Amino acid sequence: EAQVTQNPRYLITVTGKKLTVTCSQNMNHEYMSWYRQDPGLGLRQIYYSMNVEVTDKGDVPEGYKVSRKEKRNFPLILESPSPNQTSLYFCASSSPGYTQYFGPGTRLTVL
Amino acid sequence: KQEVTQIPAALSVPEGENLVLNCSFTDSAIYNLQWFRQDPGKGLTSLLLIQSSQREQTSGRLNASLDKSSGRSTLYIAASQPGDSATYLCAVRGASGSRLTFGEGTQLTVNP
Repeated sequence: EAQVTQNPRYLITVTGKKLTVTCSQNMNHEYMSWYRQDPGLGLRQIYYSMNVEVTDKGDVPEGYKVSRKEKRNFPLILESPSPNQTSLYFCASSSPGYTQYFGPGTRLTVL
Repeated sequence: KQEVTQIPAALSVPEGENLVLNCSFTDSAIYNLQWFRQDPGKGLTSLLLIQSSQREQTSGRLNASLDKSSGRSTLYIAASQPGDSATYLCAVRGASGSRLTFGEGTQLTVNP
């Protein structure tokens, strides 16, 4: 089954404790992206990747890192999480110009 | 910077009605436009994708149109059902093909 998977689905952590949210897709897509969704602000792009080893900042990249060492994986790294990074995070993938597929989301709470 | 606006923010209709959701965008240099559905606490499901060279796309009871020059798209839902209740999001992909900008969505409730 074609899908985008994210782990963990739910995470509660404390300020400053490094964490990684994994994202994997099995559709051989070139494009992968990370978004955060917040009430009243909608979905905002954090980082995107157009292929292996090619990444670029989206609209809200501060406090986040990404890497794309393999085509199928695009982890999101929070080196020193802060409470303002409490949000619902989505990973997505697509082929250029085609339908974007979203993962189920990761609900992160930073205390 | 691309800005995407969706009107109305919320809509409540009785079952069986035909309805139209609106999306407008400020920069007409787009690659494509996509409509999504999001159920509470869930991820996004793609409904329709319209390439910049197309005027409309249809899938079942859904029809999406695109007027790139005026920066507008509409999503038409025919014969609405309670199962259509969800938030509908419009997203525009920029001309470079990489950046996707979302509207804030229209929360639709279809009452039995």
